[in-house]
Amino acid sequence: EPEVTQTPSHQVTQMGQEVILRCVPISNHLYFYWYRQILGQKVEFLVSFYNNEISEKSEIFDDQFSVERPDGSNFTLKIRSTKLEDSAMYFCASSANRGRFNEQFFGPGTRLTVL
Amino acid sequence: EDQVTQSPEALRLQEGESSSLNCSYTVSGLRGLFWYRQDPGKGPEFLFTLYSAGEEKEKERLKATLTKKESFLHITAPKPEDSATYLCAVPRDNYGQNFVFGPGTRLSVLP
Repeated sequence: EPEVTQTPSHQVTQMGQEVILRCVPISNHLYFYWYRQILGQKVEFLVSFYNNEISEKSEIFDDQFSVERPDGSNFTLKIRSTKLEDSAMYFCASSANRGRFNEQFFGPGTRLTVL
Repeated sequence: EDQVTQSPEALRLQEGESSSLNCSYTVSGLRGLFWYRQDPGKGPEFLFTLYSAGEEKEKERLKATLTKKESFLHITAPKPEDSATYLCAVPRDNYGQNFVFGPGTRLSVLP
Protein backbone atom coordinates (compact mmCIF):
# COMPACT_ATOMS: atom_id res chain seq x y z
CA GLU A 1 0.00 0.00 0.00
CA PRO A 2 1.44 3.39 -0.95
CA GLU A 3 2.48 5.60 1.93
CA VAL A 4 4.04 8.94 2.73
CA THR A 5 7.62 8.69 3.97
CA GLN A 6 9.65 11.25 5.91
CA THR A 7 13.31 11.66 6.76
CA PRO A 8 14.94 11.99 9.15
CA SER A 9 12.81 10.47 11.88
CA HIS A 10 14.56 12.61 14.48
CA GLN A 11 16.58 15.79 13.99
CA VAL A 12 18.47 17.56 16.75
CA THR A 13 19.80 21.02 16.01
CA GLN A 14 21.16 24.08 17.73
CA MET A 15 19.09 27.24 17.94
CA GLY A 16 19.73 29.47 14.94
CA GLN A 17 20.68 26.62 12.62
CA GLU A 18 18.88 25.77 9.41
CA VAL A 19 17.09 22.46 9.07
CA ILE A 20 15.52 20.74 6.09
CA LEU A 21 12.86 18.13 6.62
CA ARG A 22 12.16 15.78 3.75
CA CYS A 23 9.05 14.01 2.59
CA VAL A 24 8.15 11.70 -0.26
CA PRO A 25 4.39 11.98 -0.86
CA ILE A 26 2.27 9.22 -2.37
CA SER A 27 3.25 9.07 -6.01
CA ASN A 28 -0.02 9.99 -7.76
CA HIS A 29 -0.99 12.69 -5.27
CA LEU A 30 -0.99 16.31 -6.34
CA TYR A 31 -1.54 18.21 -3.10
CA PHE A 32 1.04 18.36 -0.35
CA TYR A 33 0.93 19.66 3.19
CA TRP A 34 2.99 20.25 6.27
CA TYR A 35 1.55 20.13 9.77
CA ARG A 36 3.22 20.30 13.14
CA GLN A 37 2.35 18.97 16.57
CA ILE A 38 3.99 20.37 19.66
CA LEU A 39 4.18 17.74 22.38
CA GLY A 40 0.79 17.29 24.01
CA GLN A 41 -0.94 19.77 21.73
CA LYS A 42 -3.15 19.70 18.65
CA VAL A 43 -2.00 18.98 15.14
CA GLU A 44 -1.66 22.39 13.43
CA PHE A 45 -1.70 23.23 9.74
CA LEU A 46 1.37 24.99 8.37
CA VAL A 47 1.16 25.08 4.59
CA SER A 48 -0.35 23.49 1.51
CA PHE A 49 1.36 23.20 -1.87
CA TYR A 50 0.04 22.52 -5.32
CA ASN A 51 1.39 22.93 -8.82
CA ASN A 52 4.77 24.09 -7.51
CA GLU A 53 3.46 26.90 -5.41
CA ILE A 54 2.04 27.54 -1.96
CA SER A 55 -1.74 27.53 -2.07
CA GLU A 56 -2.40 28.32 1.57
CA LYS A 57 -0.38 28.98 4.70
CA SER A 58 -1.13 29.56 8.35
CA GLU A 59 0.07 32.33 10.65
CA ILE A 60 2.71 29.93 11.97
CA PHE A 61 4.33 29.72 8.54
CA ASP A 62 6.33 32.94 8.68
CA ASP A 63 9.40 34.05 6.74
CA GLN A 64 11.57 31.53 8.55
CA PHE A 65 9.77 28.70 6.79
CA SER A 66 9.87 27.69 3.16
CA VAL A 67 8.75 24.70 1.13
CA GLU A 68 10.02 23.28 -2.10
CA ARG A 69 9.44 20.40 -4.45
CA PRO A 70 12.97 20.06 -5.81
CA ASP A 71 12.18 17.11 -8.05
CA GLY A 72 9.29 14.85 -9.00
CA SER A 73 9.20 12.97 -5.75
CA ASN A 74 10.51 14.99 -2.80
CA PHE A 75 8.77 17.74 -0.85
CA THR A 76 10.80 19.66 1.69
CA LEU A 77 10.23 22.02 4.58
CA LYS A 78 13.08 24.36 5.47
CA ILE A 79 13.33 26.29 8.69
CA ARG A 80 15.97 28.96 8.14
CA SER A 81 16.92 29.87 11.70
CA THR A 82 15.44 27.51 14.24
CA LYS A 83 14.04 28.68 17.55
CA LEU A 84 13.44 26.69 20.72
CA GLU A 85 9.70 26.90 20.08
CA ASP A 86 10.11 25.14 16.74
CA SER A 87 10.65 21.89 18.64
CA ALA A 88 7.76 19.66 17.55
CA MET A 89 6.74 16.72 15.41
CA TYR A 90 6.44 17.76 11.79
CA PHE A 91 4.11 15.76 9.61
CA CYS A 92 3.96 15.75 5.86
CA ALA A 93 0.68 14.77 4.20
CA SER A 94 -0.57 14.36 0.66
CA SER A 95 -3.90 14.01 -1.07
CA ALA A 96 -5.10 13.17 -4.55
CA ASN A 97 -7.78 15.85 -4.53
CA ARG A 98 -8.80 18.96 -2.74
CA GLY A 99 -12.18 20.15 -1.63
CA ARG A 100 -14.83 17.58 -1.04
CA PHE A 101 -12.81 14.37 -1.45
CA ASN A 102 -9.67 15.47 0.26
CA GLU A 103 -8.49 12.48 2.27
CA GLN A 104 -5.07 13.53 3.50
CA PHE A 105 -2.58 10.75 4.21
CA PHE A 106 0.11 11.50 6.74
CA GLY A 107 3.70 10.40 7.05
CA PRO A 108 5.25 9.09 10.26
CA GLY A 109 6.69 12.49 11.15
CA THR A 110 10.06 14.04 11.95
CA ARG A 111 10.72 14.89 15.56
CA LEU A 112 12.63 18.18 15.61
CA THR A 113 14.47 19.07 18.79
CA VAL A 114 16.00 22.54 18.98
CA LEU A 115 18.58 23.01 21.74
CA GLU B 1 -13.81 31.17 14.72
CA ASP B 2 -13.84 27.60 13.49
CA GLN B 3 -13.46 25.17 16.34
CA VAL B 4 -13.28 21.44 16.82
CA THR B 5 -13.66 19.95 20.27
CA GLN B 6 -13.53 16.35 21.40
CA SER B 7 -14.73 14.54 24.46
CA PRO B 8 -13.81 12.88 26.62
CA GLU B 9 -10.17 13.91 26.78
CA ALA B 10 -9.24 10.40 27.89
CA LEU B 11 -11.17 7.15 28.15
CA ARG B 12 -10.22 3.87 29.77
CA LEU B 13 -12.22 0.80 28.81
CA GLN B 14 -12.01 -2.84 29.65
CA GLU B 15 -11.59 -5.15 26.69
CA GLY B 16 -15.04 -5.76 25.25
CA GLU B 17 -16.60 -2.67 26.87
CA SER B 18 -18.22 -0.62 24.08
CA SER B 19 -18.31 3.19 24.17
CA SER B 20 -18.46 6.33 22.03
CA LEU B 21 -16.19 9.28 21.41
CA ASN B 22 -17.57 12.68 20.49
CA CYS B 23 -16.36 15.35 18.07
CA SER B 24 -18.19 18.68 17.95
CA TYR B 25 -17.47 21.33 15.37
CA THR B 26 -18.41 24.91 14.63
CA VAL B 27 -17.38 25.54 11.06
CA SER B 28 -19.44 27.57 8.64
CA GLY B 29 -20.57 25.00 6.10
CA LEU B 30 -19.26 21.51 6.68
CA ARG B 31 -17.03 20.21 3.93
CA GLY B 32 -16.44 16.79 5.43
CA LEU B 33 -15.42 15.47 8.80
CA PHE B 34 -12.36 13.25 9.00
CA TRP B 35 -11.43 10.74 11.68
CA TYR B 36 -7.84 9.71 12.26
CA ARG B 37 -6.10 7.36 14.66
CA GLN B 38 -2.73 8.41 16.08
CA ASP B 39 -0.39 6.08 17.91
CA PRO B 40 2.27 7.61 20.20
CA GLY B 41 5.11 9.17 18.19
CA LYS B 42 3.42 8.38 14.86
CA GLY B 43 1.53 10.28 12.20
CA PRO B 44 -2.27 10.35 12.03
CA GLU B 45 -3.70 7.32 10.22
CA PHE B 46 -6.79 7.99 8.12
CA LEU B 47 -9.93 6.14 9.23
CA PHE B 48 -13.10 7.72 7.80
CA THR B 49 -14.57 10.69 6.01
CA LEU B 50 -18.19 11.71 6.55
CA TYR B 51 -19.83 14.32 4.34
CA SER B 52 -23.48 14.65 5.25
CA ALA B 53 -25.70 14.40 8.30
CA GLY B 54 -26.99 10.89 8.78
CA GLU B 55 -24.03 9.29 7.07
CA GLU B 56 -22.39 6.29 8.76
CA LYS B 57 -19.20 4.40 8.00
CA GLU B 58 -17.77 1.26 9.56
CA LYS B 59 -14.38 -0.36 9.80
CA GLU B 60 -13.89 -3.43 11.95
CA ARG B 61 -14.92 -2.44 15.48
CA LEU B 62 -15.31 1.25 14.64
CA LYS B 63 -18.39 3.05 13.37
CA ALA B 64 -18.51 6.77 12.68
CA THR B 65 -21.72 8.77 12.49
CA LEU B 66 -22.42 12.39 11.65
CA THR B 67 -25.08 14.91 12.64
CA LYS B 68 -25.27 18.59 11.75
CA LYS B 69 -23.10 19.63 14.70
CA GLU B 70 -21.18 16.58 15.84
CA SER B 71 -19.79 13.20 15.00
CA PHE B 72 -19.52 10.08 17.08
CA LEU B 73 -16.98 7.31 16.85
CA HIS B 74 -18.53 4.18 18.30
CA ILE B 75 -16.17 1.43 19.40
CA THR B 76 -17.79 -1.97 19.76
CA ALA B 77 -16.11 -4.65 21.88
CA PRO B 78 -12.71 -2.93 21.79
CA LYS B 79 -9.44 -4.79 22.02
CA PRO B 80 -6.15 -3.56 23.53
CA GLU B 81 -4.81 -2.88 20.03
CA ASP B 82 -7.50 -0.21 19.64
CA SER B 83 -5.65 1.87 22.22
CA ALA B 84 -4.60 5.13 20.55
CA THR B 85 -5.54 8.78 20.32
CA TYR B 86 -8.49 9.38 18.01
CA LEU B 87 -8.51 12.71 16.22
CA CYS B 88 -11.21 14.40 14.24
CA ALA B 89 -10.59 17.17 11.73
CA VAL B 90 -12.61 19.43 9.46
CA PRO B 91 -11.48 21.51 6.50
CA ARG B 92 -11.50 25.20 7.28
CA ASP B 93 -12.43 26.28 3.77
CA ASN B 94 -14.04 25.17 0.52
CA TYR B 95 -10.74 23.96 -0.87
CA GLY B 96 -10.35 21.49 1.97
CA GLN B 97 -6.69 22.16 2.35
CA ASN B 98 -6.42 23.63 5.80
CA PHE B 99 -7.52 21.00 8.30
CA VAL B 100 -8.54 22.08 11.78
CA PHE B 101 -7.86 19.24 14.18
CA GLY B 102 -9.50 18.56 17.50
CA PRO B 103 -7.37 17.84 20.57
CA GLY B 104 -8.12 14.13 20.40
CA THR B 105 -9.46 11.48 22.74
CA ARG B 106 -6.82 9.22 24.26
CA LEU B 107 -8.32 5.73 24.42
CA SER B 108 -6.84 2.98 26.57
CA VAL B 109 -8.29 -0.52 26.35
CA LEU B 110 -7.22 -2.76 29.18
CA PRO B 111 -7.01 -6.54 28.77
